[in-house]
Formats: sequence, structure tokens, C-alpha cells
Amino acid sequence: DSGVTQTPKHLITATGQRVTLRCSPRSGDLSVYWYQQSLDQGLQFLIQYYNGEERAKGNILERFSAQQFPDLHSELNLSSLELGDSALYFCASSPRLAGGIYNEQFFGPGTRLTVL
Amino acid sequence: EDKVVQSPLSLVVHEGDTVTLNCSYEVTNFRSLLWYKQEKKAPTFLFMLTSSGIEKKSGRLSSILDKKELSSILNITATQTGDSAIYLCAVEEVQGAQKLVFGQGTRLTINP
Repeated sequence: DSGVTQTPKHLITATGQRVTLRCSPRSGDLSVYWYQQSLDQGLQFLIQYYNGEERAKGNILERFSAQQFPDLHSELNLSSLELGDSALYFCASSPRLAGGIYNEQFFGPGTRLTVL
Repeated sequence: EDKVVQSPLSLVVHEGDTVTLNCSYEVTNFRSLLWYKQEKKAPTFLFMLTSSGIEKKSGRLSSILDKKELSSILNITATQTGDSAIYLCAVEEVQGAQKLVFGQGTRLTINP
């Protein structure tokens, strides 16, 4: 158990809908990262938040957005869902913004999103 | 575009064998290379490598980075069925935030 929690574990929804995925980082970690893992794309970095602020963006679609709240939990919002958005969505956390030893990312168990 | 390539993509061996997994990278400003093991769900951290030529070791697993060759290897000796997993390599760039670029992974299967 990494100490990172994600809810829900599974989500099944229809095209065009909007969903919210939630992540609670490890106690004391200020950085939260979101990743998408699909069969054909591997693990893709979406976005990083540090202490409430967006700090890095990866291949995140405009239909997706995220935020980190004052208690450091984070939410990933996915809207106008398409079939291709079906994937495992992971949240990870680390203590600092970047760099240094002991700043490895610890992954949550993931949310499996199925869009029908 | 930053790229991380792992090889082989898939490997099947017998219990007790030794395996070597490869990772090569092309990133603009390299900071560190990380190895993760992914079994059923979440990737779990194995090693972080920042300095070339220094081996990191944990039990039967070891890894080394070669900055000149822009590559890293992960060795597993005396493999066990519990080592069956996808092994992911990720590279961190020097920038204001920690963006990891992951390889496709190597699916390792250990047969009894």
C-alpha cells in the first residue's frame, strides 16, 4: 500500500458524459500527478499540481481538467467523454516539486474508466 | 520529442534464470531515471538513478545508468514467479516540475 488513495476504483459511463476522479496523496506529500494508462499508449503523464498550483502539463486534452484543493487532495475532471478515454487513471504523489533523491512518485491503485 | 524506449517488450524465462531489461532515452535535460514494477495495478517504485556508473541494488534486483550511452539496465537474478510483472522505465527532465516520461514497459513472465 503506497498511501495514495483513489476513488472510485471502477467507473462505467456513456459517451458525452462527465466524471470526476478523486485522489488523496500520501500524508505530507505536496505534489500530485495524474497519469493515463491505456493499452496502446502506455503510461502518459497528464498534469502535476504542487501545493495547490498547476506546475507541469503533459498530454492532457482540453476536455480534461484538474485541481488540487487546500487539503492537498486532487480531482481530475473528464468531460464530453469518448470511447477512447477508456483507460486506467493513476494518481501519484511525491514530497517535493521536483528533483532530488527521495522524491520518487508513489502511485495510487488507479481508477478504471470504461466509456460505453 | 522526448522518448524512452524499452526492450524487449516481452520476455518469458524459467524460474532461476537471470534477466536483463534495457531502457534507452532521448530527453533534452536529463535529471534522473526511475524503474517501476507494475503487477496487477499501481506501479511500485524500484530504483532512482542519477549518477552514471553507480549500481543500485535491492536483493536480487540491481540497476545501473550509463549517461554516455543514454541507457540503463535492470538485472534480476535467480528469478521467481513473483517477479512476473511489467517493468517500467521513466526519465525525469530538469525543469521546474517533475514530469516523467515513461517507456512502454517490458512484460516479464517467469514460468515455474
